Amino acid sequence: DAEITQSPRHKITETGRQVTLACHQTWNHNNMFWYRQDLGHGLRLIHYSYGVQDTNKGEVSDGYSVSRSNTEDLPLTLESAASSQTSVYFCASSSGWNTEAFFGQGTRLTVV
Amino acid sequence: QKEVEQNSGPLSVPEGAIASLNCTYSDRGSQSFFWYRQYSGKSPELIMFIYSNGDKEDGRFTAQLNKASQYVSLLIRDSQPSDSATYLCAVRRSGGGADGLTFGKGTHLIIQP
Repeated sequence: DAEITQSPRHKITETGRQVTLACHQTWNHNNMFWYRQDLGHGLRLIHYSYGVQDTNKGEVSDGYSVSRSNTEDLPLTLESAASSQTSVYFCASSSGWNTEAFFGQGTRLTVV
Repeated sequence: QKEVEQNSGPLSVPEGAIASLNCTYSDRGSQSFFWYRQYSGKSPELIMFIYSNGDKEDGRFTAQLNKASQYVSLLIRDSQPSDSATYLCAVRRSGGGADGLTFGKGTHLIIQP
């Protein structure tokens, strides 16, 4: 079955370190998204991509970057991790602009 | 700024009753509306989507959309304890592209046996 997977599921890192969260989908969806979820804020869009070589900033993109070298993967990089980036991160994908998004299992990141 | 508002709850409903979840949105350009369910510690999963004014039914779930009032709701009939979760309302603006969903903060629903 097609799916979307995130790795790692849990990560603890130190302030200032570079961290990369992986997202891989097998639906062949063009659109991929990264969200973070925090108590009191709900899900907020970090970055998104319409397709290979395309990336766009979302609502809370500062301190994050993404790259899209193929259809299946959209890794999220924290350039210099900060405690404010402690959160649960969800990757999602969709086939078209007006279709539902399917979410990965999430990555719980703790920055100490 | 696009905003999606939901009552955070908790909303407590007896088993077998109708649960009514409400959502308002600020962006009149919003064209697609989604309801996701999220169990604690899990990822959001799609329940329903609606694009046109009126009602859309799927099993025990009914989504209602009123674009003039900028209001979307989700009704859950014959509520079950397994329906206890956080329900997220999400909207997407039209205009093509894939500019992500804007989510509300969610309503915590508790179905009491």
